Amino acid sequence: GENVEQHPSTLSVQEGDSAVIKCTYSDSASNYFPWYKQELGKRPQLIIDIRSNVGEKKDQRIAVTLNKTAKHFSLHITETQPEDSAVYFCAANPGGSYIPTFGRGTSLIVHP
Amino acid sequence: SAVISQKPSRDICQRGTSLTIQCQVDSQVTMMFWYRQQPGQSLTLIATANQGSEATYESGFVIDKFPISRPNLTFSTLTVSNMSPEDSSIYLCSANGQGGPRDEQFFGPGTRLTVL
Repeated sequence: GENVEQHPSTLSVQEGDSAVIKCTYSDSASNYFPWYKQELGKRPQLIIDIRSNVGEKKDQRIAVTLNKTAKHFSLHITETQPEDSAVYFCAANPGGSYIPTFGRGTSLIVHP
Repeated sequence: SAVISQKPSRDICQRGTSLTIQCQVDSQVTMMFWYRQQPGQSLTLIATANQGSEATYESGFVIDKFPISRPNLTFSTLTVSNMSPEDSSIYLCSANGQGGPRDEQFFGPGTRLTVL
């Protein structure tokens, strides 16, 4: 089955800095890569996703990149703000499956 | 995106009892799922709730412990049976597939369960 590794487990940045979270996956047939943000005590929320036919996708201050050859994808947050503080989960849907395999999560702390 | 609600939002239960968690989606969806999330941990899939047939359980989860119902395309229940303190966790339902199977998955607010 699919295996998703996520790093780092904790990331601490100053407000205004950029943050990068990296994930690798094992199944070369995986074709959908969502990112979820989970604030303390809240539900995971889909913030951005990318499909295997695209190398990069942006939405305001967040962007995701995908390298299919290396089987890794990354979340980039620019101009971080305290409200970006949360746990971020990457995931990968194995080919033909609508069920994601989740990474272990990254706790992002943005210091004012 | 689908709007998903869960009841109860939290509960404190005694060892040996059972709790049924309800999940309601505001539109018909193809697929519904149940996850468990231990504090500070990732999401672990318990099972896929299949409409009109038995749920599909992941390794380590069994029907006797976590019976699931899905009577229609908008509703599902998860029962945590014969509870022990190790069952204390957050239980989340999720759904995808408005109008057909899709990749995007949306989550309910979760049920925080504490077993004494």
